[in-house]
Amino acid sequence: SQTIHQWPATLVQPVGSPLSLECTVEGTSNPNLYWYRQAAGRGLQLLFYSVGIGQISSEVPQNLSASRPQDRQFILSSKKLLLSDSGFYLCAWSALDRSKNIQYFGAGTRLSVL
Amino acid sequence: GQQLNQSPQSMFIQEGEDVSMNCTSSSIFNTWLWYKQDPGEGPVLLIALYKAGELTSNGRLTAQFGITRKDSFLNISASIPSDVGIYFCAGQLWGNKLVFGAGTILRVKS
Repeated sequence: SQTIHQWPATLVQPVGSPLSLECTVEGTSNPNLYWYRQAAGRGLQLLFYSVGIGQISSEVPQNLSASRPQDRQFILSSKKLLLSDSGFYLCAWSALDRSKNIQYFGAGTRLSVL
Repeated sequence: GQQLNQSPQSMFIQEGEDVSMNCTSSSIFNTWLWYKQDPGEGPVLLIALYKAGELTSNGRLTAQFGITRKDSFLNISASIPSDVGIYFCAGQLWGNKLVFGAGTILRVKS
């Protein structure tokens, strides 16, 4: 069966520090991968999605970037964190088959920028 | 762009009561999904709908894909304390990204 892992679960970082959040998927090949941010426990904002290695689409201009160095690895990064980057970050995957594009979410990373 | 209107925004109900929530859109979708998110966790898929008019159940949960393809409903029967959480609808049109509703916060009074 497929599983998705995110780490760390929680993170407290000072303003101006770098960020690296990692997401890996097991049990499937060629998944579509997604990064979302959720503020205040409501609303999922799509940040990035990827349909393959090295292929990243950005949904909103921001202080963050994403990379996909391997088929089942998706990384969310920042060179210098802002206070506004605080939030709950969720990684998700879906199968390559577009006919049933169900997204499955990881457990999330709670980021606090102080 | 595509938007989903999810209502109600929050509900505070008595244990044992039935719950209804819905999502509407100005655009048509080919897939409707309903997720539940527990505090501090990622959303978990509850029900997936693929056909207009489809009615699908998962235990005490029942969801319907509206006949116009622009709306969907989720009903929870005989609510219990563990039903607490945020419920999200999501719609998808072939090959495109999911569009999520803003969520319905459900609180149950025991």
